Amino acid sequence: KNEVEQSPQNLTAQEGEFITINCSYSVGISALHWLQQHPGGGIVSLFMLSSGKKKHGRLIATINIQEKHSSLHITASHPRDSAVYICAAPRSGTYKYIFGTGTRLKVLA
Amino acid sequence: DAGVIQSPRHEVTEMGQEVTLRCKPISGHDYLFWYRQTMMRGLELLIYFNNNVPIDDSGMPEDRFSAKMPNASFSTLKIQPSEPRDSAVYFCASTDPDTGELFFGEGSRLTVL
Repeated sequence: KNEVEQSPQNLTAQEGEFITINCSYSVGISALHWLQQHPGGGIVSLFMLSSGKKKHGRLIATINIQEKHSSLHITASHPRDSAVYICAAPRSGTYKYIFGTGTRLKVLA
Repeated sequence: DAGVIQSPRHEVTEMGQEVTLRCKPISGHDYLFWYRQTMMRGLELLIYFNNNVPIDDSGMPEDRFSAKMPNASFSTLKIQPSEPRDSAVYFCASTDPDTGELFFGEGSRLTVL
């Protein structure tokens, strides 16, 4: 069992749909990051959060420390949101990041 | 700031050759990471530095891999000799000391024939 697990692995949605990607972790962490990677492209950090909720445009990230669970939501999805979304967390007290396997999102026009 | 800068963006080499990947972190960032990404294994941490000092290199696959950070603005990852199984995208990243946010370079795509 991976220490950081994401679901679903693949997701296809129609433009405009509300999307949720989940991340569960089993190790102690100090914060959780959501990353976005477009096909053949670099990696961009979307959020870093250690509690509660953050919002940036159409993206919302939440984390529940007690349940060791985080979600990334995309409202009014658009084809340009098509990418791989990765959650990552450093083990507590270190900068050794553990990465989820990623969720491949495809938004159809 | 221009972001984390990596070079080369693409490298194709033959087995046995030496490969050197370069990274310039964002000025003022205190942590620098080298990651490798493959289809099979996803993102893997190879090594990370804090204030130019290597902190953890347990992810470096074997002695063929070495990394240096001679100063705060430059790091190299060297593979000698290279093997086909080293083919991957190598990412460098640095962290903002105030926020902890991770910033990645565009990656160096290495193909070893």
